[in-house]
Amino acid sequence: GAVVSQHPSWVICKSGTSVKIECRSLDFQATTMFWYRQFPKQSLMLMATSNEGSKATYEQGVEKDKFLINHASLTLSTLTVTSAHPEDSSFYICSARDSSSNTGELFFGEGSRLTVL
Amino acid sequence: KQEVTQIPAALSVPEGENLVLNCSFTDSAIYNLQWFRQDPGKGLTSLLLIQSSQREQTSGRLNASLDKSSGRSTLYIAASQPGDSATYLCAVTGGGGKLIFGQGTELSVKP
Repeated sequence: GAVVSQHPSWVICKSGTSVKIECRSLDFQATTMFWYRQFPKQSLMLMATSNEGSKATYEQGVEKDKFLINHASLTLSTLTVTSAHPEDSSFYICSARDSSSNTGELFFGEGSRLTVL
Repeated sequence: KQEVTQIPAALSVPEGENLVLNCSFTDSAIYNLQWFRQDPGKGLTSLLLIQSSQREQTSGRLNASLDKSSGRSTLYIAASQPGDSATYLCAVTGGGGKLIFGQGTELSVKP
């Protein structure tokens, strides 16, 4: 099946710093990628839709200036958590849809666990 | 606004038992429905994908059904094994291609 790679898988940073998470589709092209966050014992909440070559679309309540998304190529989207604070600590998961497929199936990365001290 | 609900939130069964996980959604205008498995601290593994025009999909010991008109889906797991222990998530794709998740069912299969 299609593979989506996320990096880093875990990161610890100090409050106030910025952290970048990468999401790559390894064997397919993805014009659209999605970013989710998951708190312990909770489900995945959609943060934003990343569109290749254009601005991301953010869900209600998600600060676009805090969570910067860049989708510069058909295989890479990045999420940058700016000026991170302890409340941003969470599990961030990306997903991608194969542009050449008509099934609409989404493939997920392994997730990135962010801990802000 | 699409809402996805999964029942039960948690389930514990002895090994070998057949079981059913339930998923319901409020807006029947979906493109497809996916069932995922998530192990603790890990990402998601896609189990089954059902298109809106389909009624069921099968993969090994797993069978998923879809009744779009009533907004329901079930995931049937036959002859459960301890390795099946995980959280199972149901998600629907609606307008804009967004995948909306339910809260998940945490399954524990006891040896």
